[in-house]
Amino acid sequence: GAVVSQHPSRVICKSGTSVKIECRSLDFQATTMFWYRQFPKQSLMLMATSNEGSKATYEQGVEKDKFLINHASLTLSTLTVTSAHPEDSSFYICSASATNTGELFFGEGSRLTVL
Amino acid sequence: QKEVEQNSGPLSVPEGAIASLNCTYSDRGSQSFFWYRQYSGKSPELIMFIYSNGDKEDGRFTAQLNKASQYVSLLIRDSQPSDSATYLCAVKSFQKLVFGTGTRLLVSP
Repeated sequence: GAVVSQHPSRVICKSGTSVKIECRSLDFQATTMFWYRQFPKQSLMLMATSNEGSKATYEQGVEKDKFLINHASLTLSTLTVTSAHPEDSSFYICSASATNTGELFFGEGSRLTVL
Repeated sequence: QKEVEQNSGPLSVPEGAIASLNCTYSDRGSQSFFWYRQYSGKSPELIMFIYSNGDKEDGRFTAQLNKASQYVSLLIRDSQPSDSATYLCAVKSFQKLVFGTGTRLLVSP
């Protein structure tokens, strides 16, 4: 099946620093990518929809200036958590929608811990 | 009302039994329905999707969809301990995939 690669899988950072997470579709083109956040024992919550070449669409309650999303190519979207704080510690998961079929594939997830 | 609702469980079944997982959704216009399995600390993996009313079978898994009642279910036959995981129901609505909170399944040997 199609592969979506996320990097890094784990990251620990100090409060106040910024962290960038990459999401790549390895063998297909993805016009649309989605970023989710999952807190322990909770479901995946959609943060934003990222469209190649245009601004991301953020869900209600998600600060666009804090969670910067860039989708510069059909195979790469990045999420930057700016000025991270301990409450931003979470499991961040991206998914990519194949342009030709619309099928959704998930990355392996990135666990962020902010000290 | 949550968009996608699931019983959080845990649902405990003995090995070899049938596990039945249920999900209801609020958007009557939803067209696509998905079941994902998620092991602790891992990303979700797609088990099945269903678009039409009725049953869809794939190996030990059967998805059932009833649009009139707005529910979708997943049956796992001959449950194995390796099936122990959280099962997430997801509904596609306005091009977005909305997830339920998941049902934790425990299959005991």
